[in-house]
Amino acid sequence: LAKTTQPISMDSYEGQEVNITCSHNNIATNDYITWYQQFPSQGPRFIIQGYKTKVTNEVASLFIPADRKSSTLSLPRVSLSDTAVYYCLVGGRTSSGSARQLTFGSGTQLTVLP
Amino acid sequence: EAQVTQNPRYLITVTGKKLTVTCSQNMNHEYMSWYRQDPGLGLRQIYYSMNVEVTDKGDVPEGYKVSRKEKRNFPLILESPSPNQTSLYFCASSLPLAGGRFGEQFFGPGTRLTVL
Repeated sequence: LAKTTQPISMDSYEGQEVNITCSHNNIATNDYITWYQQFPSQGPRFIIQGYKTKVTNEVASLFIPADRKSSTLSLPRVSLSDTAVYYCLVGGRTSSGSARQLTFGSGTQLTVLP
Repeated sequence: EAQVTQNPRYLITVTGKKLTVTCSQNMNHEYMSWYRQDPGLGLRQIYYSMNVEVTDKGDVPEGYKVSRKEKRNFPLILESPSPNQTSLYFCASSLPLAGGRFGEQFFGPGTRLTVL
């Protein structure tokens, strides 16, 4: 079971780039890494997913080193509305197709200051 | 509109009184899951289901039951609720993709349960 570790909180200022790192030392071969954003009183919302190297979409980038034991979510030029809790999630399916447990980290509270 | 719905959204009950929280999705997703969220502990998976009649335990299954008789529904059952099950519960669904990957998980709005 892949356990994940993230910083509890981070502060940033508007317009800065923010990098949040998640550690997942015992990630399995078939596991993917997914990041979610959660606002108070709402369910988490998908941001980005990757397996290795770098993935980029319209809102974020995800960097995964070759050993895949960690991953970094990069948010370019954050705004006040990016204040939220960010979770990394590790999991996937076995080679036989059955599901592996999906394990969320404890989340990182990002606070963007004006 | 593609969505995951949960009912009820809020529930206050007493110890030992059986309850069911319903979860339904309209996206034809095979994978469904229940999580609980507690302050400082993030999201912890209770049970998950790969498809109809296929369920498995997550991190914290004790005190909970689930069933998956239809693809769209995945109810969470608390046979004898206790105060330590007071929490915020989320249901989610996803489409398993090729190569061991799970697609984006869509989360319901949450159910806030208080057990007195």
